Amino acid sequence: GENVEQHPSTLSVQEGDSAVIKCTYSDSASNYFPWYKQELGKRPQLIIDIRSNVGEKKDQRIAVTLNKTAKHFSLHITETQPEDSAVYFCAAIGAGSYQLTFGKGTKLSVIP
Amino acid sequence: DAGVTQSPTHLIKTRGQQVTLRCSPISGHKSVSWYQQVLGQGPQFIFQYYEKEERGRGNFPDRFSARQFPNYSSELNVNALLLGDSALYLCASSQWDIPGYGYTFGSGTRLTVV
Repeated sequence: GENVEQHPSTLSVQEGDSAVIKCTYSDSASNYFPWYKQELGKRPQLIIDIRSNVGEKKDQRIAVTLNKTAKHFSLHITETQPEDSAVYFCAAIGAGSYQLTFGKGTKLSVIP
Repeated sequence: DAGVTQSPTHLIKTRGQQVTLRCSPISGHKSVSWYQQVLGQGPQFIFQYYEKEERGRGNFPDRFSARQFPNYSSELNVNALLLGDSALYLCASSQWDIPGYGYTFGSGTRLTVV
């Protein structure tokens, strides 16, 4: 089955700086890669996603890049704000599967 | 519009007992999935249903079962509870029959097994 590795596990940045979280996946046929933000005690919320036929997608301060050859994808947050502090999860769907496989999460802390 | 609603929000059970968790999807959503999230980890897939049919099952023992009703709500049942079943159980709904796509998660049921 699919395996997703996520790094780093914790990340601290100064307000206004950029944050980058990286994930690798094992199934070369995986075709959908969402990112979720989970604030403490709250539900995971989809913040951005990308399909395998696209290399990059941007939504305001958030962007995701996908490198199919290397089997990795990254979340980029620019001009970070304190409200960006949360745990971020990457995920992938393996070929022919209904199972969304999540990484172990990155705790992002934005220091004012 | 109401989001995905789950009940109960918190539950304490004793080892060996059985538990039923409930999920109501967003109106119009026909797909419901269940995930287990252990503290400090990412969610792990348990089941997915679409139009009352089981589409997928994760690597969980047969003690875990689920079903989807004609109104698209769903129940997750866990028998013979173990301490290791303590976790946040998340339900996600989607209007799409596309794996993983367009999920909206509920706030979860926090299950503690003592």
